[in-house]
Amino acid sequence: NAGVTQTPKFQVLKTGQSMTLQCAQDMNHNSMYWYRQDPGMGLRLIYYSASEGTTDKGEVPNGYNVSRLNKREFSLRLESAAPSQTSVYFCASRMTGITNYGYTFGSGTRLTVV
Amino acid sequence: AQSVTQLGSHVSVSEGALVLLRCNYSSSVPPYLFWYVQYPNQGLQLLLKYTSAATLVKGINGFEAEFKKSETSFHLTKPSAHMSDAAEYFCAVIENNNAGNMLTFGGGTRLMVKP
Repeated sequence: NAGVTQTPKFQVLKTGQSMTLQCAQDMNHNSMYWYRQDPGMGLRLIYYSASEGTTDKGEVPNGYNVSRLNKREFSLRLESAAPSQTSVYFCASRMTGITNYGYTFGSGTRLTVV
Repeated sequence: AQSVTQLGSHVSVSEGALVLLRCNYSSSVPPYLFWYVQYPNQGLQLLLKYTSAATLVKGINGFEAEFKKSETSFHLTKPSAHMSDAAEYFCAVIENNNAGNMLTFGGGTRLMVKP
């Protein structure tokens, strides 16, 4: 099925470990986004990529890095995980140039840092 | 800067009762507004969107929302709640002059439906 695929779905890390969350979309969308979801805070933007080859910081970028590998793939890396990064991470994509075009979301990665 | 406020982090209704989830936005220019639904352990699914055409927008699963510019509101309603409507609902806004066209989300409202 067409959409946004995130891997892994669940992950437990120890403080200080690193990992990369993977995201791929097959809808030929230009823009891709990483959000984190925490109780009572809705979704907050970590990083986004408006088009292949560009990335920009969102609201809460500290502790994260991203790579727009190609048009399909946008990865999020935690270099040294901290308990404050325990969250549910969502990747999303959309078509650029159509302002009223909604986002398509992946099913999320549930990350626990102990 | 744009922002979204959802009044009530938890709303409980009886099955068959009216559902009303409140959303107010702040935007310096005419916005585009969205409602998303998240079922347990799933991603976000688009319910409906306002795109500057009709102010009353109909979405999936019998939901609708009305854009009221004078009240800066975009409340979500459904005439009769069903058990399957239990989920978390997010209101979101895009400003149409935002180069990145990024969604800003409200804090979410968890809807509980009692039998």
